[in-house]
Amino acid sequence: GAVVSQHPSWVICKSGTSVKIECRSLDFQATTMFWYRQFPKQSLMLMATSNEGSKATYEQGVEKDKFLINHASLTLSTLTVTSAHPEDSSFYICSASEVGRGVGEQYFGPGTRLTVT
Amino acid sequence: QKEVEQNSGPLSVPEGAIASLNCTYSDRGSQSFFWYRQYSGKSPELIMFIYSNGDKEDGRFTAQLNKASQYVSLLIRDSQPSDSATYLCAVITTGGFKTIFGAGTRLFVKA
Repeated sequence: GAVVSQHPSWVICKSGTSVKIECRSLDFQATTMFWYRQFPKQSLMLMATSNEGSKATYEQGVEKDKFLINHASLTLSTLTVTSAHPEDSSFYICSASEVGRGVGEQYFGPGTRLTVT
Repeated sequence: QKEVEQNSGPLSVPEGAIASLNCTYSDRGSQSFFWYRQYSGKSPELIMFIYSNGDKEDGRFTAQLNKASQYVSLLIRDSQPSDSATYLCAVITTGGFKTIFGAGTRLFVKA
């Protein structure tokens, strides 16, 4: 149980283009989904928290117009990196917490490795 | 002061030994504590959570919590090379709305 999928697992795109990453909870309904970014040998950095049907809450320093988050249902959240640049190259990981459980009990997707050329 | 602090390591232990991973946190009102394991190039996976002072055991893993000292630890008994990974401590802040992750401790178990 508690499986979270992400698609795509890796993507290469050209500078200036947009990339959409999907995060799905496969066998549970997710109250809250989280988006993280992780650079090599560094810790997770929370980018934003999203609840189904409401606007995402972005962490300080994260541009909401650049990283668009849509949480369309209790099982799907998407992150769109708009006008991507090489410095956006990173490992993007989503996680989800199940309805009725606390936000600390997060189940992570396998991550999406983004390379912007 | 960082909200959740961990020694970055690497912590190196021989196979079969006990690995002890430590974490301190600054928010005295925190109530929920989690340990995640992250293999290189992979995403984190939840190992254990603990809410009450004392010890909580699950197989070879024991989480220990001391709220007075604002300290949480993870013990791994009979360490195996497959336990080699980065272990992340996570704490839910007062109010329960946000999870703060530590930077992680790298564990290396030598065969």
